[in-house]
Amino acid sequence: AQSVTQLGSHVSVSEGALVLLRCNYSSSVPPYLFWYVQYPNQGLQLLLKYTTGATLVKGINGFEAEFKKSETSFHLTKPSAHMSDAAEYFCAVSSSGAGSYQLTFGKGTKLSVIP
Amino acid sequence: DGGITQSPKYLFRKEGQNVTLSCEQNLNHDAMYWYRQDPGQGLRLIYYSQIVNDFQKGDIAEGYSVSREKKESFPLTVTSAQKNPTAFYLCASSPLLSDTQYFGPGTRLTVL
Repeated sequence: AQSVTQLGSHVSVSEGALVLLRCNYSSSVPPYLFWYVQYPNQGLQLLLKYTTGATLVKGINGFEAEFKKSETSFHLTKPSAHMSDAAEYFCAVSSSGAGSYQLTFGKGTKLSVIP
Repeated sequence: DGGITQSPKYLFRKEGQNVTLSCEQNLNHDAMYWYRQDPGQGLRLIYYSQIVNDFQKGDIAEGYSVSREKKESFPLTVTSAQKNPTAFYLCASSPLLSDTQYFGPGTRLTVL
């Protein structure tokens, strides 16, 4: 069984400030971890993913995330927020089952950027 | 242009009517998925299919049905048995044995 907890359903930051979105996971097997972004009334776009290897993962739009096994965390960060970063962000964990990778999503964190 | 299309973008139906949501992909992906999204709930898996003519129930399959007659198409029917069908529905696909899913733009279903 696997689960994802995203701390904070809504986060507000000022333009130019650090963005930190928190994600903790539970998984009985080594996890694959993902961050997706969703703009209003649109589908999800992959920001970055961790499978194996380097624990600091860089993604699109200046985002990065660090896999910390000891803390079962995969927090998403960006050094300087832009207005265009305002969206909802979903953390997800995946495990292989019967040859298909099934994603379990967190409930999402809505990011607001204040000018 | 390769991608996933979902139609229509907005759908309104009366209570008690069955409705079918379309999902088509030209990415040559083997696996396809249907998710339901409710505000503050994240995404929940309804059905998935790894190969033509085969599909598996996800976490919330009750009141839904699917078919997979062609590799590129995975339509979802929301039946009258689904107690609370108003939601945003997302289709996704992935190459077989791939860890990454690619999402369509979604269909917002409102049952009046």
